[in-house]
Amino acid sequence: SQQGEEDPQALSIQEGENATMNCSYKTSINNLQWYRQNSGRGLVHLILIRSNEREKHSGRLRVTLDTSKKSSSLLITASRAADTASYFCATDTLYNNNDMRFGAGTRLTVKP
Amino acid sequence: DAGITQSPRHKVTETGTPVTLRCHQTENHRYMYWYRQDPGHGLRLIHYSYGVKDTDKGEVSDGYSVSRSKTEDFLLTLESATSSQTSVYFCAISFTGTTAGNTIYFGEGSWLTVV
Repeated sequence: SQQGEEDPQALSIQEGENATMNCSYKTSINNLQWYRQNSGRGLVHLILIRSNEREKHSGRLRVTLDTSKKSSSLLITASRAADTASYFCATDTLYNNNDMRFGAGTRLTVKP
Repeated sequence: DAGITQSPRHKVTETGTPVTLRCHQTENHRYMYWYRQDPGHGLRLIHYSYGVKDTDKGEVSDGYSVSRSKTEDFLLTLESATSSQTSVYFCAISFTGTTAGNTIYFGEGSWLTVV
């Protein structure tokens, strides 16, 4: 079963706007990761946040983690057309160290 | 690119035939994974390997077997393909297990259609 669930399923914005995607998960985790997938390609790692961290930044990306609510958000600031892709959150599980669980993803479209 | 090659990239096969997908890495990473991606399900782990000849089942392992005779190669076999196994298959690698928080690097995918 899915551990992470992204919200919204699809998001369409104009270039320059910010994009926020949310991820909720069900069980306790060690870390949560965000990945990006361009159409027809493999997934590319964006950022990792550990369970004892609340916020991380990487360039135009900002990730927050609220373990009490079992949720995370990915913010992309000043979006560009090249940010158009699907974004997935992935969590490990405390009982199976190597079973990363991915959500179904958020499809982001950035219009030029 | 993380030095992962999947083959074949596209394959159409008939129901009941055996199919083997190959993943080859040049990074000497210990961990290798096979995922499948289906609309509405995200990625689901089929099998993974934590060393040569060391493998374990993932969430959706029924109907699949794997083998790892060399560090660089991880094979996924569908013994008798069914239409429900039509999917995109991704190989992935990581230096250590996922709990350590290491990045998983993905291959470009293998599109399998079972008719």
